Amino acid sequence: ILNVEQSPQSLHVQEGDSTNFTCSFPSSNFYALHWYRWETAKSPEALFVMTLNGDEKKKGRISATLNTKEGYSYLYIKGSQPEDSATYLCAFNYGGSQGNLIFGKGTKLSVKP
Amino acid sequence: SAVISQKPSRDICQRGTSLTIQCQVDSQVTMMFWYRQQPGQSLTLIATANQGSEATYESGFVIDKFPISRPNLTFSTLTVSNMSPEDSSIYLCSVWDNEQFFGPGTRLTVL
Repeated sequence: ILNVEQSPQSLHVQEGDSTNFTCSFPSSNFYALHWYRWETAKSPEALFVMTLNGDEKKKGRISATLNTKEGYSYLYIKGSQPEDSATYLCAFNYGGSQGNLIFGKGTKLSVKP
Repeated sequence: SAVISQKPSRDICQRGTSLTIQCQVDSQVTMMFWYRQQPGQSLTLIATANQGSEATYESGFVIDKFPISRPNLTFSTLTVSNMSPEDSSIYLCSVWDNEQFFGPGTRLTVL
């Protein structure tokens, strides 16, 4: 059974703090690792699609790294803002099958002003 | 990028009834997907729906419980049949259009 684990489950930080989350996934049959940002009542928003071992991607204050050999990815948020409050999901795509993503349970981030 | 809308956005239903969720995409796509997220659980793929063919269901999901229609390249429906409280979930429609896009979800509560 393919399993994706995310930690922590939830995180409460103050505005301006930097934070990071972890996503662990199977290291075999790797095709891609996706990060999504999901606000309540909105569509999950794609942040990154990562495919290469050692990949680092950045989008504004958010960045992510990927280690396919050991099966983990980190998501970093620098200088958290209240609008960063959301659930961050990672999803493992194995074998290249479109749409068949194995999701973690997410990390719920709350940023207090 | 594909823009996806879903109806209804939320509903509260009685045990034993059925609810049909609609998914509309602003562009033609070959592959559409239905996911659900039960409380405290991961988003899980229910089935893949390609236009002109029967939906392909993942392990643990059956057509009698979750019948799917895919009449054209921009629209799909998922029916949750004979509902029980365990069906209370967020149901999301998704499409592949060079990357994975999701609808805003339908939040279903079954009493």
